[in-house]
Amino acid sequence: GAVVSQHPSWVICKSGTSVKIECRSLDFQATTMFWYRQFPKQSLMLMATSNEGSKATYEQGVEKDKFLINHASLTLSTLTVTSAHPEDSSFYICSASSRQANTEAFFGQGTRLTVV
Amino acid sequence: GEDVEQSLFLSVREGDSSVINCTYTDSSSTYLYWYKQEPGAGLQLLTYIFSNMDMKQDQRLTVLLNKKDKHLSLRIADTQTGDSAIYFCAEDNQGGKLIFGQGTELSVKP
Repeated sequence: GAVVSQHPSWVICKSGTSVKIECRSLDFQATTMFWYRQFPKQSLMLMATSNEGSKATYEQGVEKDKFLINHASLTLSTLTVTSAHPEDSSFYICSASSRQANTEAFFGQGTRLTVV
Repeated sequence: GEDVEQSLFLSVREGDSSVINCTYTDSSSTYLYWYKQEPGAGLQLLTYIFSNMDMKQDQRLTVLLNKKDKHLSLRIADTQTGDSAIYFCAEDNQGGKLIFGQGTELSVKP
């Protein structure tokens, strides 16, 4: 299957700082990327959907000013957690799909964020 | 709204078959997936089935889909200790946007 790379795999940051997580599709053009969040021992919850070149669509309850998503190219989407707080500590996973190829979504390996 | 339900735990002995069940509500789903997640790791796609199929077999894995009852199952034959993980079913009806179940924690005892 296609490869989606997420970076970094883990990050520790101080409260109040911002953290950027990258999601790259390595061997296909991702027209759509999705960002999920997973709390310990819980399921994945969709945070937002981003289409290349347009604004992200956020799910209900997700603060768009706190979780900034940029999808400037067909191979890269970024999630920036702004002014991070300990309650933002979580596992963040992206997935990417190609509408043209009508493929299923491929997942990155996830990023574990710890805010101290 | 869309909802995907799974039982939370399953315990089997090594060598037995495991059956993990899932129910979903959105009949327009085009793909239904099974993912495996080991502790601290990302998601590994195990298999998926198109909504117009009722069965798919891939080595030790068998997926059964009952579209009428909106019921999906994953059978793992000859379960091994390395199969211990959390298994998520997910439905896709919007070109890659997935709705996940809560996950079933499979414990395989030697």
